Amino acid sequence: DSGVTQTPKHLITATGQRVTLRCSPRSGDLSVYWYQQSLDQGLQFLIQYYNGEERAKGNILERFSAQQFPDLHSELNLSSLELGDSALYFCASSVTGDLPPNEQFFGPGTRLTVL
Amino acid sequence: GEDVEQSLFLSVREGDSSVINCTYTDSSSTYLYWYKQEPGAGLQLLTYIFSNMDMKQDQRLTVLLNKKDKHLSLRIADTQTGDSAIYFCAESAGTALIFGKGTTLSVSS
Repeated sequence: DSGVTQTPKHLITATGQRVTLRCSPRSGDLSVYWYQQSLDQGLQFLIQYYNGEERAKGNILERFSAQQFPDLHSELNLSSLELGDSALYFCASSVTGDLPPNEQFFGPGTRLTVL
Repeated sequence: GEDVEQSLFLSVREGDSSVINCTYTDSSSTYLYWYKQEPGAGLQLLTYIFSNMDMKQDQRLTVLLNKKDKHLSLRIADTQTGDSAIYFCAESAGTALIFGKGTTLSVSS
């Protein structure tokens, strides 16, 4: 158990809908990352937050947004869902987010299925 | 841009050594990582190596880095059935990680 929690474990929804994925980082970690794992694209970095502020952005679609709250938990919002958004969404956390080696600890993931 | 390549499958017998290979493109990566993903689970950090090192050993795991060829390998000694999983190589790109597609290791008894 990495100490990173994600809810829900599974999510099934329809095209055009909006969902929110939630992540709680390890105790003491200030940085949260979101990754998407799909069969065709593999594991791709979406976005990073550090202590409530956006730190880095990867291949995140405009339909997706995230935030990190004062208690350091993070939410990833996915809207206008398409079939291609079906994937495993992982959250990871690290202590600082920039000081090497910047070990990232991953949660168990949320499996999103868009029908 | 950054890219990480791995072979997709490796099959070994229990007790043998496994060697999983990876190539990366970003010579400025300061750290390289190996993660393990078991079925239905998240990614578990196995080990990492600083880019100015050639080798790192951690119990049954040995990481070799050839910086000139941008080649990274993970050797698992005395491979067990419990080592069956997908192994991901990753390089640091700023604060994010760039992952390979993963190598599925199958261990037969």
